[in-house]
Amino acid sequence: GAGVSQSPSNKVTEKGKDVELRCDPISGHTALYWYRQSLGQGLEFLIYFQGNSAPDKSGLPSDRFSAERTGGSVSTLTIQRTQQEDSAVYLCASSSGADYNQPQHFGDGTRLSIL
Amino acid sequence: EDQVTQSPEALRLQEGESSSLNCSYTVSGLRGLFWYRQDPGKGPEFLFTLYSAGEEKEKERLKATLTKKESFLHITAPKPEDSATYLCAVQGGSTLTFGKGTMLLVSP
Repeated sequence: GAGVSQSPSNKVTEKGKDVELRCDPISGHTALYWYRQSLGQGLEFLIYFQGNSAPDKSGLPSDRFSAERTGGSVSTLTIQRTQQEDSAVYLCASSSGADYNQPQHFGDGTRLSIL
Repeated sequence: EDQVTQSPEALRLQEGESSSLNCSYTVSGLRGLFWYRQDPGKGPEFLFTLYSAGEEKEKERLKATLTKKESFLHITAPKPEDSATYLCAVQGGSTLTFGKGTMLLVSP
């Protein structure tokens, strides 16, 4: 079946602009996660959804970052007033069931570059 | 706070030269330890989950083992197509904490 799909694959924008990143999880997966991967750094957790609710938003770095999930499926990560330090690869993952120890399956990410 | 340290940062092997990658971790209440493979420009690809000390999992030339403080990814007789960054992650709560990875290069 289809894996996790993210769009766009690449995004270049000017500092101060808003951006929206989209994630389509694997069909039937109830848990969805957003991560950020910067050069030379490990994956940094941003936010976790179970269904449409976000029980853990602890990784969002500032109030310029927000995310939503609708219909228990597609999720959008929005970054407002982008800064150069926001440049990174944003990865989405999904997993099945409510058990926290189910493996997460990742998309190929959105490479975001802020000029 | 959960922590994961991977070593070495980079490893270069000749084809057929077996070796091991290390993942040391601290976590309050391990729910699972995960190994992923990441190719350039791609997202991490799931390899293994280990749940308790003493557990082992194998897939082709890869074997993962787990103790209470660390995990090893053993690579037997590697091939050039095994070249990738290998990531280790632990789950204590609802999210994963990742190490920075080991970049493996296997030369023919």
